[in-house]
Parts: sequence; C-alpha cells; structure tokens
Amino acid sequence: NAGVTQTPKFQVLKTGQSMTLQCAQDMNHNSMYWYRQDPGMGLRLIYYSASEGTTDKGEVPNGYNVSRLNKREFSLRLESAAPSQTSVYFCASSPGTGGTYEQYFGPGTRLTVT
Amino acid sequence: GEDVEQSLFLSVREGDSSVINCTYTDSSSTYLYWYKQEPGAGLQLLTYIFSNMDMKQDQRLTVLLNKKDKHLSLRIADTQTGDSAIYFCAVLPPSGGYNKLIFGAGTRLAVHP
Repeated sequence: NAGVTQTPKFQVLKTGQSMTLQCAQDMNHNSMYWYRQDPGMGLRLIYYSASEGTTDKGEVPNGYNVSRLNKREFSLRLESAAPSQTSVYFCASSPGTGGTYEQYFGPGTRLTVT
Repeated sequence: GEDVEQSLFLSVREGDSSVINCTYTDSSSTYLYWYKQEPGAGLQLLTYIFSNMDMKQDQRLTVLLNKKDKHLSLRIADTQTGDSAIYFCAVLPPSGGYNKLIFGAGTRLAVHP
C-alpha cells in the first residue's frame, strides 16, 4: 500500500495564479483532510470530508476550495494564490467512525507564492 | 473550542530520557495522540491513548494521561539521535462529530551527543 500520496511535492506560484493540489489514499478510508503547516503554528485544518460526497470547512478555509472526487481522492484548489498561502500542505485520511480515529498523513506539498 | 498547548523546544543528551508535555482544555476528549514529524516529511502516528487509561507503554515510549489536570506526556527512554524530530500532541474532542483532531504547535526535540 502506498498510503496517502500527494502531488506535486514542490510548487512555486506567482500571486494570482491558480493550482490544484492532488491527494489520494488507498486504505479505503472514509474521511479525508487538508491541513496547512506554518512555523510555530502547528497544523491548521483547511477543509475536511467526513465521507464521500460531503465536505466541510475547517479552521482556515478562506481562499481555498475542495473536491471529494471519489472515496480515494480529495483535491485542494487555490483559485487566486496569495503570498499568505505560502505554506506546507498536508493531506490526511482516517478510517472514520468505529475505530480509533487516527489520521494518516501524506508527505506534503511545499508551496511558495511570490 | 479545544486548545492544545506544548512547549516549542526540548534539548536532551543522547541516552537520557526525554519528556514532552502537552495540555488541553476539553476534558471530554476521547482519544489523545502523539505524532512524530521528521525533517521534510509528513506526520507519523507514534501512539495513542484512550481517555479511560492512565498510562500506555510501547517499547521505549510511555504515555501518561492525567485527566484531572488535562495533561498528556510522552516519555522516550534512552533517547537516540534518530529521535530528533518535531512531536505533535493531538486530541479528539466530541464536538465536530469525532471527525476533527486538534493539534498542538509541536515540540522540537534536539538530541545531542
């Protein structure tokens, strides 16, 4: 099993450009998440999808959109990138209800907006 | 909402024990987790503890939970240079339907000879 995979690994954007970060999991998990990690601030939840067909806002959703394409894939879109969105983005998945709710993380996408 | 706090930095000598501390605010949190992040990598689950437990041991790792004080700790015995990483505490509060973990800011552990 590959676990949680993310593409791309690195990306540089100019202000105003758009891009989509891709995430896929092969663990048949119900729930998927997008976080951003900034120095000294830990992980902040952007959006999550508790199950296929549902998405909900997290702590910092402004400037982002998400799509739960199917049970495996959950993408994050930046419509008009801003320097404040320079960060490391992590996708995670979780079995969901009935388990211990732990989350499994991808390797991250390092995004720089100039 | 739930708040999770950790000290940001800990330095220990190789071979000593490390103790990383975490406090949280929601006493109804059901599961509590420790994750490890090595440089340039994602977070890796180290261990978790259920709220009805006081202690959990897994090889060199010992997790202690004090529910009264809302305090969680991770002890790493015989700390090695490979343990140098950022350690995140996370809790699962019932609010949000058990779908969201709340993370602390992370403690950077530096192990020196």
